[in-house]
Amino acid sequence: GENVEQHPSTLSVQEGDSAVIKCTYSDSASNYFPWYKQELGKRPQLIIDIRSNVGEKKDQRIAVTLNKTAKHFSLHITETQPEDSAVYFCAASGSNYKLTFGKGTLLTVNP
Amino acid sequence: DGGITQSPKYLFRKEGQNVTLSCEQNLNHDAMYWYRQDPGQGLRLIYYSQIVNDFQKGDIAEGYSVSREKKESFPLTVTSAQKNPTAFYLCASSAARAGETQYFGPGTRLLVL
Repeated sequence: GENVEQHPSTLSVQEGDSAVIKCTYSDSASNYFPWYKQELGKRPQLIIDIRSNVGEKKDQRIAVTLNKTAKHFSLHITETQPEDSAVYFCAASGSNYKLTFGKGTLLTVNP
Repeated sequence: DGGITQSPKYLFRKEGQNVTLSCEQNLNHDAMYWYRQDPGQGLRLIYYSQIVNDFQKGDIAEGYSVSREKKESFPLTVTSAQKNPTAFYLCASSAARAGETQYFGPGTRLLVL
């Protein structure tokens, strides 16, 4: 089955700096890669996703890149703000609709 | 994700007791999922269903059971066979097509007395 590795497990940045979270996956058939943000005690919420037919997608301060050859994808947050502090999860999915999640990255943005 | 509800918000289980967690959605989604979340862990798939009256085991199905009698409902029973049930349980739904976004409910926190 699919295996998703996520790094780092914790990340601390100063407000205004950029943050990068990286994930690798094992199943070359995976073709959908969402990123979720989860605040403490709340539900995960989709912040951006990418499909295998594109290499990069951007939405305001958030961008995701995908390298299918190397089987890795990354989340980039620019101009970080304290409200970006949360746990971020990457995931990968193939044709069977199942999502396999990474173990999460706790991002702390210090004012 | 406002169209997915879970109840109760907190649930307490006694030793040897079966408990059932409710998940309802009004998004007209065919696919529904149950995940378990432990501290420092990602979300692990317990069961999923792509259509009414059909469901498949996920990665950690032992000690759990589900039913899918209606499109909008996918209850999860934590049985007494699940020896370490304390966790945050999340239900999700999506359209039954590859690459469709999964939307999550607010979760149920299960604690053992």
